[in-house]
Amino acid sequence: DIQMTQSPSSLSASLGDRVTITCRASQSISSNLNWYQQKPGKAPKLLIYDASRLQTGVPSSFSGSGAGTDFTLTISSLQLEDFATYFCQQSDSAPQTFGQGTKVEIK
Amino acid sequence: QLQLQESGPGLVRPSETLSLTCTVSGGSVRRSSYYWAWIRQAPVKGLEWIGSMYYSGRTSYNPALKSRVTISVDTSKNQFSLNLTSLTAADTAVYYCARGPASGSGLNWFDPWGQGTLVTVSS
Repeated sequence: DIQMTQSPSSLSASLGDRVTITCRASQSISSNLNWYQQKPGKAPKLLIYDASRLQTGVPSSFSGSGAGTDFTLTISSLQLEDFATYFCQQSDSAPQTFGQGTKVEIK
Repeated sequence: QLQLQESGPGLVRPSETLSLTCTVSGGSVRRSSYYWAWIRQAPVKGLEWIGSMYYSGRTSYNPALKSRVTISVDTSKNQFSLNLTSLTAADTAVYYCARGPASGSGLNWFDPWGQGTLVTVSS
């Protein structure tokens, strides 16, 4: 199975901060990388697919980049509603696997 | 707007079989351009893809669970279901159903997701 490693596991940030979360795959997954946001008690919500494509309805403050093994999710200006846990998921090889999550907390 | 809703028992005894149903509204499970999936989230193990099914009947299961999993579709009720046998405490998790866009590899992102249902395996 392809292992997905996110860093950091958690971070504290202030409103308006630029936040970057990294996801590394144990082998090349081309651009088959997706990002989700999950709030407590809720299902994950798709933010970015195919590494850099913004899902419809997701604010443009979110962006994704990367290819191969290293990927980044960036929030350009952190808003109150962005405090949540973020997961990456590879859809290159079965079984599809997820990162362990990055929790974004208020500083 | 497509909505998914999981239903099933919240408590199941060890060694028994879990049966969950996902009811689809605002869209049809007959759409060949999508697949239907089950994913679970346990506190320690995190998010785990269980398996996916196309309307055509093509299925794909996580090898770690393949011997215990069956996913099926009921077009008359616009539902799809998960059966997981020989349960242990390690199967305790929130179970989600989700949809994904069809692809040649059978793999893709998941959107949208149901709200999830907590399943506890305990005697």
